[in-house]
Amino acid sequence: ETGVTQSPTHLIKTRGQQVTLRCSSQSGHNTVSWYQQALGQGPQFIFQYYREEENGRGNFPPRFSGLQFPNYSSELNVNALELDDSALYLCASSLDWPATSTDTQYFGPGTRLTVL
Amino acid sequence: GENVEQHPSTLSVQEGDSAVIKCTYSDSASNYFPWYKQELGKRPQLIIDIRSNVGEKKDQRIAVTLNKTAKHFSLHITETQPEDSAVYFCAASKRAAGNKLTFGGGTRVLVKP
Repeated sequence: ETGVTQSPTHLIKTRGQQVTLRCSSQSGHNTVSWYQQALGQGPQFIFQYYREEENGRGNFPPRFSGLQFPNYSSELNVNALELDDSALYLCASSLDWPATSTDTQYFGPGTRLTVL
Repeated sequence: GENVEQHPSTLSVQEGDSAVIKCTYSDSASNYFPWYKQELGKRPQLIIDIRSNVGEKKDQRIAVTLNKTAKHFSLHITETQPEDSAVYFCAASKRAAGNKLTFGGGTRVLVKP
């Protein structure tokens, strides 16, 4: 098991509400990426945070936003929830140094979000 | 942007046989290719990865091959066991894109005892 944790495990919301999901990185990691995994599909990249700055964003609307804190933990916020936002939300942490090539991402257990 | 195609979508094999999953990618600048195994209700778990300066990598019963010219890479599992049953995802990324992983659609592998 990785040292990446997420909370909550499950969440049920209704359309139009807002939600905040949390991720704690593996010790020593400074980069967090968030992914959305719809049922039966591969994870889709939402955005990445490196040292508290957004460092890349996928094809998701602005109502998906994030934060990274000085201890490298992270939040994913989704406003104005829609039914299609129902999915497993995964965070992945990695150690990103300019001198290295590409850094392995380790996933947390995910938060299962259901929007009714 | 990058596009990753994965085949087959389902694969059923007898215990002890080999399983092969193939992926193609579109962006020739991609330089990192991990494979994840995801059991039902669990997190994706990295099982092996390969970087673009290497053509093949092995770890016990698992091997990955990369053909940069053809832009495809494959996962090989030998001597399959029932605990290999899971969904397998390939992915590709490049440093310039902030290590964003683009995933394939997944392969559901069933190993029959």
